Amino acid sequence: NAGVTQTPKFQVLKTGQSMTLQCAQDMNHNSMYWYRQDPGMGLRLIYYSASEGTTDKGEVPNGYNVSRLNKREFSLRLESAAPSQTSVYFCASTDAQGFNQPQHFGDGTRLSIL
Amino acid sequence: QKEVEQNSGPLSVPEGAIASLNCTYSDRGSQSFFWYRQYSGKSPELIMSIYSNGDKEDGRFTAQLNKASQYVSLLIRDSQPSDSATYLCAVPGWSGYSTLTFGKGTMLLVSP
Repeated sequence: NAGVTQTPKFQVLKTGQSMTLQCAQDMNHNSMYWYRQDPGMGLRLIYYSASEGTTDKGEVPNGYNVSRLNKREFSLRLESAAPSQTSVYFCASTDAQGFNQPQHFGDGTRLSIL
Repeated sequence: QKEVEQNSGPLSVPEGAIASLNCTYSDRGSQSFFWYRQYSGKSPELIMSIYSNGDKEDGRFTAQLNKASQYVSLLIRDSQPSDSATYLCAVPGWSGYSTLTFGKGTMLLVSP
């Protein structure tokens, strides 16, 4: 059971480089999310997609862009990486557009910006 | 901005004891509450959901919800060293589209 799959698992970038984090889910979920997790800050929502074709900003969207490629895939792009974006990034999904649904997480991408 | 508060810990308990983890939230309208467990270096894993006032039991885990006092707790009976992890509380977020607001988590350490 794959669930939510994130690639890559680890990445080191130089300041100013760009990259795309990939996320795919095989649970036929409608909603998908990108979080970052930093020590002492908890999980913070970057962007989400309530359904295919829609995306919305979360708590900390600056410096990021997203694409909901299809129902399965939701990518996160850093156009010009900054050291402040060093973090662990988690993708999650859930099977409803309304309230009361838990989210299921991928294994994360550990990103370091030098 | 909805807020979820947890004591960061660490909460240290001996093996076999009951661990009690607490969470308070700011939005009186919240209808669903989730507990996630996160081992060091791993992703959050859902362990409990609770929607109604009272207790919900699942194996060694019991979630307790008190909407009037705006708190939700997680009890772990017969704590094991393998329960050592950070426990995250989550409630529906600010957007209404299945977003969740997470607490910063409580670290639990169970000593043999």
